[in-house]
Amino acid sequence: NAGVTQTPKFQVLKTGQSMTLQCAQDMNHEYMSWYRQDPGMGLRLIHYSVGAGITDQGEVPNGYNVSRSTTEDFPLRLLSAAPSQTSVYFCASSYSSRNENEQFFGPGTRLTVL
Amino acid sequence: AQKITQTQPGMFVQEKEAVTLDCTYDTSDPSYGLFWYKQPSSGEMIFLIYQGSYDQQNATEGRYSLNFQKARKSANLVISASQLGDSAMYFCAMRTDRGSTLGRLYFGRGTQLTVWP
Repeated sequence: NAGVTQTPKFQVLKTGQSMTLQCAQDMNHEYMSWYRQDPGMGLRLIHYSVGAGITDQGEVPNGYNVSRSTTEDFPLRLLSAAPSQTSVYFCASSYSSRNENEQFFGPGTRLTVL
Repeated sequence: AQKITQTQPGMFVQEKEAVTLDCTYDTSDPSYGLFWYKQPSSGEMIFLIYQGSYDQQNATEGRYSLNFQKARKSANLVISASQLGDSAMYFCAMRTDRGSTLGRLYFGRGTQLTVWP
């Protein structure tokens, strides 16, 4: 199993550009989520999904969209990039939303918005 | 609201000594899970240990143990016999599976552990 994969690993955007961060998992996990990590802030939840076709907002959803058309894929779209979205983005998945299920993290995408 | 507090921005420990990383949490949900993750300088998030709110015994995984004090709402991570490779950022996190916060994982701000020879 590849686990949770993310592409790209690094990305530089100009203000106003849009892009999609890709996330895929091959563990047949129901629950997937996106986090951003900023210095001194820990990880904060952007959006999450409890299954194909179902998504919901987390703590910091503004400026981001998600969709979940398949169990495996959970892309994160930046609609119009802003310097405040410079961050490291992690995708994670778990078997279900039950609290005993650990979340498996992808390697992260380091995004810089100029 | 769910909240995780890690009050130690940085900790230092000598190799082979034990170290405790503090974590307190706040939730009104009776059912929750507590996690510790390690993030080395390479950036990946590595799961270390889990404790459920209804578990009677403290969780252990090799050199890691979780000192769970439910009444005090604390979930401290104890690393025994520290190794140089333990130098990393450590995050405490909480997950609930009830209500509007179903499945969400809330993180503390982390503790940077440095192990010196």
